[in-house]
Amino acid sequence: EVQLVESGGGLVQPGGSLRLSCAASGFTFSSYWMSWVRQAPGKGLEWVANIKQDGSEKYYVDSVKGRFTISRDNAKNSLYLQMNSLRAEDTAVYYCARGRDPEWCLFDLWGRGTLVTVSS
Amino acid sequence: DIQMTQSPSSLSASVGDRVTITCQASQDISNYLNWYQQKPGKAPKLLIYDASNLETGVPSRFSGSGSGTDFTFTISSLQPEDIATYYCQQYDNLPPTFGQGTKVEIK
Repeated sequence: EVQLVESGGGLVQPGGSLRLSCAASGFTFSSYWMSWVRQAPGKGLEWVANIKQDGSEKYYVDSVKGRFTISRDNAKNSLYLQMNSLRAEDTAVYYCARGRDPEWCLFDLWGRGTLVTVSS
Repeated sequence: DIQMTQSPSSLSASVGDRVTITCQASQDISNYLNWYQQKPGKAPKLLIYDASNLETGVPSRFSGSGSGTDFTFTISSLQPEDIATYYCQQYDNLPPTFGQGTKVEIK
C-alpha cells in the first residue's frame, strides 16, 4: 500500500527540541521531493520545508529558518524534521507530503499527521 | 510570498446544489494552482491539479478552472460526503502557499 506514516510528535516545552519522522512505503521514495506541511489547531495549512530526492537541496519557510532542519534517509525510506528552539506558535499537526514528479510542490500523497504541542 | 485569497470562508448548501469557491492569487501564477479537500481529523486530499486537471479517482462532479490570478472550484451536485474544508494552493513560487480554506456544510 502506498502510504506515509508520521511519528515523533508530543508535548514539549518552549525552547525544547523534537524530531519528527515519516516512513514511506509502497513507492520509490528516493524518486520524489518530500515536504513537511503543518496545520495549527483550527487553522489552515502552512508549508514548512522540502527536500530534493538526493538531499542536495532544501528549502524552508522563513518562520522556521535556522531552527528546523529537514533531512532524509533513502535507504530507510524515511523523512525527518529536526525542530529546535520550539515556540508556542509551532504547535500544529505536522504532515509529510510527497511532491508529484517533476512538480516538487504538487502534493499528491499525505500522511495522517503527528501532533506537536509546545507548552509549559 | 504569494497571497491566496479564497471566498467564501464558509457556505451552506443543499444536497444536489451547485457549489462554487473562488481563489485569487496576489500575482500571476499561470496555472500552478491545486485544490485539496480536508475532512475533519483527516489529511488533505488532492482533488484538482494545475487548475483544471481532475486527480485520478476523484468524482467528476468536482472541477476547476482559471489561470493567471483568478481561479474557480466547482462541485456540480453537492453530496453529503463532500462535507469538508477546501483549500487552494499555489506552487508557482516558493514558498508554496494555501488559501485560508472554505468550509462546506449541508443546509
